[in-house]
Amino acid sequence: AQSVTQPDIHITVSEGASLELRCNYSYGATPYLFWYVQSPGQGLQLLLKYFSGDTLVQGIKGFEAEFKRSQSSFNLRKPSVHWSDAAEYFCAVVGVSGTYKYIFGTGTRLKVLA
Amino acid sequence: ETGVTQTPRHLVMGMTNKKSLKCEQHLGHNAMYWYKQSAKKPLELMFVYSLEERVENNSVPSRFSPECPNSSHLFLHLHTLQPEDSALYLCASSQSNTGELFFGEGSRLTVL
Repeated sequence: AQSVTQPDIHITVSEGASLELRCNYSYGATPYLFWYVQSPGQGLQLLLKYFSGDTLVQGIKGFEAEFKRSQSSFNLRKPSVHWSDAAEYFCAVVGVSGTYKYIFGTGTRLKVLA
Repeated sequence: ETGVTQTPRHLVMGMTNKKSLKCEQHLGHNAMYWYKQSAKKPLELMFVYSLEERVENNSVPSRFSPECPNSSHLFLHLHTLQPEDSALYLCASSQSNTGELFFGEGSRLTVL
């Protein structure tokens, strides 16, 4: 079955510390991959996406993600977290053949300590 | 206005009421989506419209009825809902079936 797993429901980091959010997927073929962020009371906003090419992808707000085909992973990282990064983060995939069926993980809620 | 706009932002309704959620996108996209977001569950795809034709209906109960009169507007008509239908309903749009999704801020629905 196709699925996206975000094993960490909650993560707490101190401001200025580094961050890594994990995402693993199960899909028939390598899909397109996305990370979205959702602040309280808001919709989801795209942080970055991977379609092909360089497996290290840069996004907005200083985030990056690395695609590892062998591990079926697409982990999100940030070298130094800011208090404004506190939000919920969602990993998502969609088939390259184009199905409109974006599959989302359950999300990781990030808390940032001052 | 720009982006994807959803109204109302909050809605409280009884189980016998009929209400509608509205979504409007100003991005020129050709696909629009309804998602349901419940606590501790992945986003659930409900409906997808491409060029005003429904291309996905994800086994959604008939008490939810979508309508897409044109490529910029999407409605979700609600009737005889159940308390378990309480959730955040998100509308999204995309230019293609694999591109980035642009989300609205959601309509928080509470069914009493």
